[in-house]
Amino acid sequence: DAKTTQPPSMDCAEGRAANLPCNHSTISGNEYVYWYRQIHSQGPQYIIHGLKNNETNEMASLIITEDRKSSTLILPHATLRDTAVYYCIVRVLTNTGNQFYFGTGTSLTVIP
Amino acid sequence: NAGVTQTPKFRVLKTGQSMTLLCAQDMNHEYMYWYRQDPGMGLRLIHYSVGEGTTAKGEVPDGYNVSRLKKQNFLLGLESAAPSQTSVYFCASSYDSGLDQPQHFGDGTRLSIL
Repeated sequence: DAKTTQPPSMDCAEGRAANLPCNHSTISGNEYVYWYRQIHSQGPQYIIHGLKNNETNEMASLIITEDRKSSTLILPHATLRDTAVYYCIVRVLTNTGNQFYFGTGTSLTVIP
Repeated sequence: NAGVTQTPKFRVLKTGQSMTLLCAQDMNHEYMYWYRQDPGMGLRLIHYSVGEGTTAKGEVPDGYNVSRLKKQNFLLGLESAAPSQTSVYFCASSYDSGLDQPQHFGDGTRLSIL
């Protein structure tokens, strides 16, 4: 069961920062927030994850609010190749293992 | 870097036929997973494995069997294919079950059952 809420779609101008929001108001203290994306019909691609602190890597930045109830994925300079569906996932421990619950995500369109 | 490789990439079957999907990873990961993705939906876990020789059921295991005879390979079998199993199948692997361990996915197998 998805524990996150994302807008279904967003647009972003090429070269501008893309800020993708995610609400996870029921997150528990030891649960991580993960971001993946899926381009066309390819497999989900790992982007970044975090627990409490903001994180940055070569692909993106993850900003997590102090109460951890929401987060924002930032693509600093969006390109056309960043057009994809972006999934915000809260990693939970379940009786079926440590699975990822992928919701329907946010479809990001980068506009030339 | 190959990562997670799935074969075949596409397949069309007739109802009642059987087939096996192969997933191979070269990252020495302990955990491997099979998901299916249907149009407009997220991924759903079919089966997973926590190590060589072990398998377990996920969210939607009915109609599928799996085997993990070698650490690097995870096979998904359909004994008698049904149209409801038309889907895109993704394999994934992770180093262990830690909450801070990402899963790495293959590019999928597109399966159509006629």
